[in-house]
Amino acid sequence: EAGVTQFPSHSVIEKGQTVTLRCDPISGHDNLYWYRRVMGKEIKFLLHFVKESKQDESGMPNNRFLAERTGGTYSTLKVQPAELEDSGVYFCASSHLTSGGYEQYFGPGTRLTVT
Amino acid sequence: RKEVEQDPGPFNVPEGATVAFNCTYSNSASQSFFWYRQDCRKEPKLLMSVYSSGNEDGRFTAQLNRASQYISLLIRDSKLSDSATYLCVVRGTSYGKLTFGQGTILTVHP
Repeated sequence: EAGVTQFPSHSVIEKGQTVTLRCDPISGHDNLYWYRRVMGKEIKFLLHFVKESKQDESGMPNNRFLAERTGGTYSTLKVQPAELEDSGVYFCASSHLTSGGYEQYFGPGTRLTVT
Repeated sequence: RKEVEQDPGPFNVPEGATVAFNCTYSNSASQSFFWYRQDCRKEPKLLMSVYSSGNEDGRFTAQLNRASQYISLLIRDSKLSDSATYLCVVRGTSYGKLTFGQGTILTVHP
């Protein structure tokens, strides 16, 4: 069974540019989560989808971040315009709905550098 | 105050040593508790869940004290392959959202 995949693995952009991160969850997983680790800080929750609906977006830092999950499959996280403090590793995780989100399987992350 | 606090270490121990990690959490309504392991530049992976009754998985033992809001992880007979960052993770009342501690770095040396 394929795990959670994320694309790209690395992205280097200039301040003010736009970047779109993609996450493909494990097939059949209705829960999809985005997290972020900024250097020197703990991993922090950004938002949670159940299928195509946003269940909790309390961790989204500001309106420069837009997450979508059309069709309830893969998800994208767009940062527009990017700022220096957006640099970090963005992790996506998924879990099966009926397990109550018991174990979240993480993708390898996208390392974003804003210069 | 951070929601989940861990001693960041680093812990440097020889092979065969026993090492213990501690963690405290601030939200008394938290429902589920976990230890994740993260290797350098890799994703976090679930090591084990933590229950009030305590649970053991081979060389690893986890304990939860709800009254003290305290979680622990004990690793016995450390192996070189145990070198990693150990993350204390709590799931609160919000469905599915995980709250992470900063992680404790463990290095096991020959």
